[in-house]
Amino acid sequence: DIVMTQSPDSLAVSLGERATIYCRSSLSVLKTSNNMNYLAWYQQKPGQPPKLLIYWASTRESGVPDRFSGSGSGTDFTLTISSLQAEDVAVYYCQQYYYIPINFGQGTRLEIK
Amino acid sequence: EVHLVESGGGLVQPGGSVRLSCAASGFMFSSSWMSWIRQAPGKGLEWVAHIKEDGSVKRYVDSVKGRFTISRDNAETSLYLQMNSLRAEDTAFYYCAKDKPGGSYESWGQGTLVTVSS
Repeated sequence: DIVMTQSPDSLAVSLGERATIYCRSSLSVLKTSNNMNYLAWYQQKPGQPPKLLIYWASTRESGVPDRFSGSGSGTDFTLTISSLQAEDVAVYYCQQYYYIPINFGQGTRLEIK
Repeated sequence: EVHLVESGGGLVQPGGSVRLSCAASGFMFSSSWMSWIRQAPGKGLEWVAHIKEDGSVKRYVDSVKGRFTISRDNAETSLYLQMNSLRAEDTAFYYCAKDKPGGSYESWGQGTLVTVSS
């Protein structure tokens, strides 16, 4: 099975500063026939289900603030929050949806410094 | 607005069975792949199963193959997960989710907790 590895496991960033979370897949999730990366990012706050932030590695879901951005291709991906807000405290997960079984990274806990 | 409501969770003994339901509204249910994803308390996310729009394709994570069955009723706009031979490691919140084309999950229910314990 493909393995999704996020780094770091936890991260503390000051309000207004940039937060960067990394996700690496053990196999490429780039489908060459359509040049799409089958990679998504989710935000989960305590007691809530996950919320889709980014899909196709870099497409922001409708309604998601533009401080959230995704980048990367193949096996290495990044979620960036350009200016951290208090409401961004959450656990963030990457997910590959190219291979079966579909799977997620282990999560990165983001806190305020 | 998409609305997904899971039900059917609870306490079940090891080896027992339970059927989860997910009532869907606010979108064209019969045109959407649907999925079940679970999360053990305090742990990460694990994809369990998904089903094609017409029910003709069903896939499962290896750990539930032969024990769990995903199904849907497009007339009732409902998704189901029949869970048999339950084990302690199946204890989790079970979420139903609406797939975006391609396979990310654009909408999630609030989840239902299944606890497998004697």
